[in-house]
Amino acid sequence: DIVMTQSPDSLAVSLGERATIDCKSSQSILYRSNNKNYLAWYQQKPGQSPKLLIYWASTRESGVPDRFSGSGSGADFTLTISSLQAEDVAVYYCQQYYNSPWTFGQGTKVEI
Amino acid sequence: QVQLVQSGSELKKPGASVKVSCKASGYTFTTFVVNWVRQAPGQGLEWMGWINTNTGNPTYARGFRGRFVFSLDTSASTAYLLIDSLRAEDTAVYYCARSTASSGNLIDYWGQGTLVTVSS
Repeated sequence: DIVMTQSPDSLAVSLGERATIDCKSSQSILYRSNNKNYLAWYQQKPGQSPKLLIYWASTRESGVPDRFSGSGSGADFTLTISSLQAEDVAVYYCQQYYNSPWTFGQGTKVEI
Repeated sequence: QVQLVQSGSELKKPGASVKVSCKASGYTFTTFVVNWVRQAPGQGLEWMGWINTNTGNPTYARGFRGRFVFSLDTSASTAYLLIDSLRAEDTAVYYCARSTASSGNLIDYWGQGTLVTVSS
């Protein structure tokens, strides 16, 4: 199974400041035939279900504010929130969908 | 709009069984598989497996073979998760979520979750 490891486990960021979350996979999740990284980012607010933010490592889901961006390739990925807003307080998960079983990182809690 | 609406919270005794439903709307049910994901209290997300809504063929992740059963009622656009012989460690929120091979099996929409509590 592909192991997904996020860092840090939690971080506190001031309003308007940048938040950066890293995600590493235990093997490359880049499918060379289509040059796509099978990596998604989800946001889970307290008491809610996860919401898709980013897929293919860097494609923003429709309706997601552009302060959220994803980058990286192969086995190293980053989610950046460029200017943290109060409504961004949540746990963020990366997930690989390259190989079954689909696996998630342990989550990163973002606080103000 | 796409919706996955799950059944309500359940409180069960150890050894009992529980069946969670997930009703889909806003899209053609058979064009997406239904995944099941478990979240234990205060913990992360764990993929349990999926069911092919065309064939009814389920795939279970390691650790979810035996007591967990995925099923469908295609006419009602509804997927089910049955958990047998409940144990305290099955206490969790269970989510259904859709994905399709045409988007690389990306999970894009989730149900609201069903809390299953196992306690004597």
